[in-house]
Amino acid sequence: AQTVTQSQPEMSVQEAETVTLSCTYDTSESNYYLFWYKQPPSRQMILVIRQEAYKQQNATENRFSVNFQKAAKSFSLKISDSQLGDTAMYFCAFIINSGGYQKVTFGTGTKLQVIP
Amino acid sequence: DAGVTQSPTHLIKTRGQQVTLRCSPKSGHDTVSWYQQALGQGPQFIFQYYEEEERQRGNFPDRFSGHQFPNYSSELNVNALLLGDSALYLCASSLEALAARHFNYGYTFGSGTRLTVV
Repeated sequence: AQTVTQSQPEMSVQEAETVTLSCTYDTSESNYYLFWYKQPPSRQMILVIRQEAYKQQNATENRFSVNFQKAAKSFSLKISDSQLGDTAMYFCAFIINSGGYQKVTFGTGTKLQVIP
Repeated sequence: DAGVTQSPTHLIKTRGQQVTLRCSPKSGHDTVSWYQQALGQGPQFIFQYYEEEERQRGNFPDRFSGHQFPNYSSELNVNALLLGDSALYLCASSLEALAARHFNYGYTFGSGTRLTVV
C-alpha cells in the first residue's frame, strides 16, 4: 500500500521569506511521480510542481523547488520569496502506473499562511 | 480555457436522498477520476472512468456509482445519503495516452461540488 505523510498541519511564513513544507511517502514501486498541489480557498487543486522518481535532479518551477531524497522517501517543497497569493492548502501526492492504471495517493495537507 | 467543469458548486441534501454530481473534463482529456475530500483531509480516491467503464475503485461502498458518457463527461451518483457523505467532491481529468506511455503530468482538477447532508 502507498502512503503519504505530511507532518505539518499548519505553517506560517512572512511575506518574501522562504518556507519548506515536508512530505514523506512509502511505496514499494520503483517508478512513480511526485507532485505538489495547491488548493486555495477557491477549492481548485492546482499543480505546483512535479518530479519523476527516476530523475535525480530536483525539479524547479520559478519560486517553487523540491528536495527529492529517493532513498529517504522524502519530497519537500520550498517556496522562495513567499507571496500573499501562496496562502493555501498544499498537498503532496504521488502517482504510480500499476497494471496499466494510474493510482494516486494524497497526503493530508499543510495549511500555509503567508503573513504580510 | 476549457478546464474541468463541475456542477453544481454547492448542494444540500437530506439524509437518505440520492444525489448526482456532474463533471466535464478538460478539453482533450479522456479519463475522469472522482475524489471525496472531507473537511481538513486530503482527497480520497473514489473511482476512475475510462472508455465509459469504471476501471478502478477506491474503498467506497456500492452506494457510490458513476457513469462516463461518450463525450468523456462523467456523473457521480450517491444513494441513501449519510451525514458522513458531507464533503467536497472533486473531479479530475487526465489523458490516458500519456499515462500509458508513463508520462505523467498529474491531473487537472475542477473546483469541486460541496455536498452537505442534513
